[in-house]
Amino acid sequence: DGGITQSPKYLFRKEGQNVTLSCEQNLNHDAMYWYRQDPGQGLRLIYYSQIVNDFQKGDIAEGYSVSREKKESFPLTVTSAQKNPTAFYLCASMSFLNQPQHFGDGTRLSIL
Amino acid sequence: GESVGLHLPTLSVQEGDNSIINCAYSNSASDYFIWYKQESGKGPQFIIDIRSNMDKRQGQRVTVLLNKTVKHLSLQIAATQPGDSAVYFCAENLNQAGTALIFGKGTTLSVSS
Repeated sequence: DGGITQSPKYLFRKEGQNVTLSCEQNLNHDAMYWYRQDPGQGLRLIYYSQIVNDFQKGDIAEGYSVSREKKESFPLTVTSAQKNPTAFYLCASMSFLNQPQHFGDGTRLSIL
Repeated sequence: GESVGLHLPTLSVQEGDNSIINCAYSNSASDYFIWYKQESGKGPQFIIDIRSNMDKRQGQRVTVLLNKTVKHLSLQIAATQPGDSAVYFCAENLNQAGTALIFGKGTTLSVSS
């Protein structure tokens, strides 16, 4: 089945530790996105990438980093600089402008 | 900043009723709008979309209405079922390269039988 796979489903971070969230898509979509969702809130854009080896900061990029070495993969690293990382992280992809984004089922990150 | 918002954070209906979820957007340059459904612990699921050159679009049991004059978007769900219980988000997009969807905060729909 075509879709977006996020892993792990649950992740725990120790203080001072970097953690990486995986996002893989087999939809052959060019654009990929990372969002953060806090309880009772909408989605806020962290980073996005429209082509391989290129990405742009979203509204809340501080404390996060990404890479886009392959079209199907867009991993997100939550660094120790992100002081409030506890949230639900969603990855999405899109084929081209004015098409719906397709979402994975998220990774829930918590602090130990 | 510019954002998409929803009028009500929660909506409770009886099974079989029609539901209407509203959304106001602020960017008159937006030309593409999407409704998503999000169930607990899952990612948003696409429901229906509409482009700015239309004012109505129908799907299976769902209709989206767009009023560009007042910058208002609504999602109508016919014969609401318990399985429709979820959080519904509207999102807007500018037809420009390098932009991303802007999401509203969501409306929680609760359907009681």
